[in-house]
Amino acid sequence: AQSVAQPEDQVNVAEGNPLTVKCTYSVSGNPYLFWYVQYPNRGLQFLLKYITGDNLVKGSYGFEAEFNKSQTSFHLKKPSALVSDSALYFCAVRPRSGGYQKVTFGTGTKLQVIP
Amino acid sequence: DTAVSQTPKYLVTQMGNDKSIKCEQNLGHDTMYWYKQDSKKFLKIMFSYNNKELIINETVPNRFSPKSPDKAHLNLHINSLELGDSAVYFCASSSSGLAGGPDEQYFGPGTRLTVT
Repeated sequence: AQSVAQPEDQVNVAEGNPLTVKCTYSVSGNPYLFWYVQYPNRGLQFLLKYITGDNLVKGSYGFEAEFNKSQTSFHLKKPSALVSDSALYFCAVRPRSGGYQKVTFGTGTKLQVIP
Repeated sequence: DTAVSQTPKYLVTQMGNDKSIKCEQNLGHDTMYWYKQDSKKFLKIMFSYNNKELIINETVPNRFSPKSPDKAHLNLHINSLELGDSAVYFCASSSSGLAGGPDEQYFGPGTRLTVT
């Protein structure tokens, strides 16, 4: 069975500082990996995804994530945090095997950017 | 211009009642989903439809019955509502993207269900 772990319930970072939101996964074979963001009282919004190729994936709003196969991780990063980045972030994984496969979401990490 | 819309946005009802939530997407996607987000913000898939066919059916009480009349619509009917059904229910859609890898999901704004 696939699973996603987001070890930090909350991450606090000062505005302008780099941020990292951690994600590790467990799935058979190579995964498809995603990051989504949820602002208060809104649905989730897609940020970026890893399919294949370059381990560093760039996404929306200046976010990027690095796929590390040996550590089974897909950490979300941004060089300089903005107050408006404060939100709930979800990592998600889907097996690469054929056919329809469900996407499993992590438990979410609340990012608080302090002015 | 709304990509994925849900109605109603809020639903307050009493235990034992039956209610429905409707979802529509105008993105031309062939796959739609229902998710439940609980008070701790945990997100769990309930159902998924591809081209009106049920493809994912998680361990959900049979009081929950999805229905997809066409590719653009996915409704969720809930019978005999219980207190534990209180949550935010999200509809989402995507292209199946089986050839080149999965496409990302687009989420609706959610329906906040409160059962009293």
